[in-house]
Amino acid sequence: EAGVAQSPRYKIIEKRQSVAFWCNPISGHATLYWYQQILGQGPKLLIQFQNNGVVDDSQLPKDRFSAERLKGVDSTLKIQPAKLEDSAVYLCASSLPGTGRSTEAFFGQGTRLTVV
Amino acid sequence: LAKTTQPISMDSYEGQEVNITCSHNNIATNDYITWYQQFPSQGPRFIIQGYKTKVTNEVASLFIPADRKSSTLSLPRVSLSDTAVYYCLVGDSIVNTGFQKLVFGTGTRLLVSP
Repeated sequence: EAGVAQSPRYKIIEKRQSVAFWCNPISGHATLYWYQQILGQGPKLLIQFQNNGVVDDSQLPKDRFSAERLKGVDSTLKIQPAKLEDSAVYLCASSLPGTGRSTEAFFGQGTRLTVV
Repeated sequence: LAKTTQPISMDSYEGQEVNITCSHNNIATNDYITWYQQFPSQGPRFIIQGYKTKVTNEVASLFIPADRKSSTLSLPRVSLSDTAVYYCLVGDSIVNTGFQKLVFGTGTRLLVSP
C-alpha cells in the first residue's frame, strides 16, 4: 500500500515570497490533515478536511495560509506571503472514513520549509 | 487547556522495559487513547490505541486503568532504534461535525543508550 506522498521535500524561500506544498493521501482515505511542526515542538494541526470539505481550520493563519482539497483527493497548502516564523516542517496525514473515535492516521515525510 | 500531560523526556538503556505515563484527567466517555512515535526527519507513526484495560501489539502494550484518567505505554526491551519522541493523544471533538481532531502535545523524548 502506497503511503502519503508529499512534495517537495525541501524548500528555501525568501520572506514575503509565496510557496505551495502538495499532498497525495492514501487511496480511499477521506480525512486529510495538514500540520506545522516547528523544531522541538509537537505537530500543530492547521486544517482538517473530510473529503473536500473543511471540518476544522481554527489554527490556520488565514491571512497568509490557504488550503484546498479539490475532488476530495489531493491537497495543496499555500503560504503567501511567507514570514521567517513559518520556517518549519509541514506534514500531511490521512485517515480512513468513518473513523469516528478512532485516531489512526498515516503521515507523509513532510516538507521542510526554510524562510530566509 | 492541554488535554494530555506527559514527561518531557526519559532516558533508558538497551534491553530495559520503558513505561511512559500520560495523564488525561478530562477524557470523554467515548474517547480512545492513541500513541504515536516520531523519529527525526519523519512524520509521526501510529503505535497503539486503546479504550480500556490492556491492549498489546507487536510493538508495545497500553495499560489503561478503570478510571481512564491516565494511560501507560510500555515498550519491552528497548533498543537504540526506539530513541524517538512519543506522543499521547485523546479525542478532541470538532463541534457539530461528529469528527475528531488529532491534537499533539509536546510528547516525551525517549533516549535509549547502549
